[in-house]
Amino acid sequence: RKEVEQDPGPFNVPEGATVAFNCTYSNSASQSFFWYRQDCRKEPKLLMSVYSSGNEDGRFTAQLNRASQYISLLIRDSKLSDSATYLCVVNTDKLIFGTGTRLQVFP
Amino acid sequence: ETGVTQTPRHLVMGMTNKKSLKCEQHLGHNAMYWYKQSAKKPLELMFVYSLEERVENNSVPSRFSPECPNSSHLFLHLHTLQPEDSALYLCASSQDRLAGQASSYNEQFFGPGTRLTVL
Repeated sequence: RKEVEQDPGPFNVPEGATVAFNCTYSNSASQSFFWYRQDCRKEPKLLMSVYSSGNEDGRFTAQLNRASQYISLLIRDSKLSDSATYLCVVNTDKLIFGTGTRLQVFP
Repeated sequence: ETGVTQTPRHLVMGMTNKKSLKCEQHLGHNAMYWYKQSAKKPLELMFVYSLEERVENNSVPSRFSPECPNSSHLFLHLHTLQPEDSALYLCASSQDRLAGQASSYNEQFFGPGTRLTVL
């Protein structure tokens, strides 16, 4: 089993749609969790950290389920500019990156 | 200059060449990292430096040799590479709460990367 698993997508959604990504991790001792965004041929940038209580930043909501060992990212009211690859990152004494989920928002 | 810079942005080299990648961070961070990103694979952590000391080396072949002369600069020296080493090499930096301990990773700021092609 991979340490961090994501559905590679692509997820093709219309503007205004709500889309959710899940990410599972294998190490129950994982300590912290993040979502990064990577645009085509660009470097990854932190989108948000994921806290046990869940956290929201505008149209983005991140949740952590330790019992089931997954984190999720919900994007509401999708914009064209949300098109990117979303990387799930898990800290288990070192940062483990998922392969990313590709999102394509169309007009 | 802001953030994390990397040079060169693109590099093509033969298998017998020796080249170096350079990374510089202007954020006052205490930790720096080298990652490799290959097509359709996740980012692979190669090396971690915290307070200029190497704290992690993830079974990277010896043809990759890192150097961290100070907290703002990081190099990756390359020699006798293989075609499968062609990838995007990303540098990152962070301000770790517990410097020297890998478990204290905070947000990482990435440079734009060097796209390396080995012929």
